[in-house]
Amino acid sequence: KQEVTQIPAALSVPEGENLVLNCSFTDSAIYNLQWFRQDPGKGLTSLLLIQSSQREQTSGRLNASLDKSSGRSTLYIAASQPGDSATYLCAVVNSGYALNFGKGTSLLVTP
Amino acid sequence: DAGVIQSPRHEVTEMGQEVTLRCKPISGHDYLFWYRQTMMQGLELLVYFNNKAVMDDSGMPKDRFSAKMPNASFSTLKIQPSEPRDSAVYFCASSSSMAGMNTEAFFGQGTRLTVV
Repeated sequence: KQEVTQIPAALSVPEGENLVLNCSFTDSAIYNLQWFRQDPGKGLTSLLLIQSSQREQTSGRLNASLDKSSGRSTLYIAASQPGDSATYLCAVVNSGYALNFGKGTSLLVTP
Repeated sequence: DAGVIQSPRHEVTEMGQEVTLRCKPISGHDYLFWYRQTMMQGLELLVYFNNKAVMDDSGMPKDRFSAKMPNASFSTLKIQPSEPRDSAVYFCASSSSMAGMNTEAFFGQGTRLTVV
């Protein structure tokens, strides 16, 4: 059974810092990995999708990397802003197409 | 497309009552997922469909939960009878498969269910 772990569970940084969120998974036979953002009381917003054949994806200030062999992904956020405060969730897809989620990292960016 | 649409957004019901949650996936998506989110367990997969057929419902308590997808644009998740431990946020999501790879999953805004 796929296990997805996100470290740290919570993170507080001052505005302007670059930061890295970590995701690890136990079964490396994945189809893809997706990073989501969830604001309090809201749904999940897709940030980046990395297919198993890819090493990284970039969108604006976000960069996600994937190392399948070691079962790891990182989400890099450059020049963090208070508006980046949210919970960030990592999800992996194995055969069957359903997403397996980690518990998330709660990020607070202080002005 | 308006995205994945769920209704109702909030539902408060008494223990023992029947509850029906509804979902309209993104047009053209052939995968539909129902997830439940709680503080303790995080996001758990309850059931998912591919082309309206149930692919995996192992996460769903089948004595009280049932899920249907009568057509490509509509799905329901029914709980009967409801219990306080069913209180959670229920999310519906959809995605599509192209050339053997599935694309991004998009989530609805969720239904917050409270069973008193």
